[in-house]
Amino acid sequence: GAVVSQHPSWVICKSGTSVKIECRSLDFQATTMFWYRQFPKQSLMLMATSNEGSKATYEQGVEKDKFLINHASLTLSTLTVTSAHPEDSSFYICSASDGGGNQPQHFGDGTRLSIL
Amino acid sequence: QKEVEQNSGPLSVPEGAIASLNCTYSDRGSQSFFWYRQYSGKSPELIMFIYSNGDKEDGRFTAQLNKASQYVSLLIRDSQPSDSATYLCAVNESGGSYIPTFGRGTSLIVHP
Repeated sequence: GAVVSQHPSWVICKSGTSVKIECRSLDFQATTMFWYRQFPKQSLMLMATSNEGSKATYEQGVEKDKFLINHASLTLSTLTVTSAHPEDSSFYICSASDGGGNQPQHFGDGTRLSIL
Repeated sequence: QKEVEQNSGPLSVPEGAIASLNCTYSDRGSQSFFWYRQYSGKSPELIMFIYSNGDKEDGRFTAQLNKASQYVSLLIRDSQPSDSATYLCAVNESGGSYIPTFGRGTSLIVHP
């Protein structure tokens, strides 16, 4: 149980393109999902907390107009990187908890984004 | 600012030895503690979680929690080369938000 599916796993696109990443909880409902970014050999950086039915909560320094998050249902959150540029190239990972509260996070497989 | 500290390593141990990974946290009210393993280029996967003081064992892994000293550790017995990865410690914030704070991770190398 507690499977989180993330799609696509790899994206290569031109600068200026907008890219949408989907995160789905397959066998549980997630009122809260998290979006992380990780650069090579660096730690996970929390970008935002995605809340079903309400606006996402962004961490300091993360541009909400650049990284659009929509949590349309209890099983789906999307992250759209708008007008992506080479500096946005990174490994993006989502996570969700199947019990809320103090339960552990389950991670998607991540999306490797490369902007040319 | 709530912090979770880990030695970045690398920690190098021979195959068959016990690997000991440590983590300290600043939020004294933290209630839940997690260890994740992350292979290079992959996303983290949950190894262990612990909520109460003391030891929790699962196969070759043992998590140890000491809330008074604000540290949590992970022991890996009979280390294998396949255990070579980065181990992330995560602590859920207190106060009801349950947002996990991750350490930077410790790189473990198990050499044959």
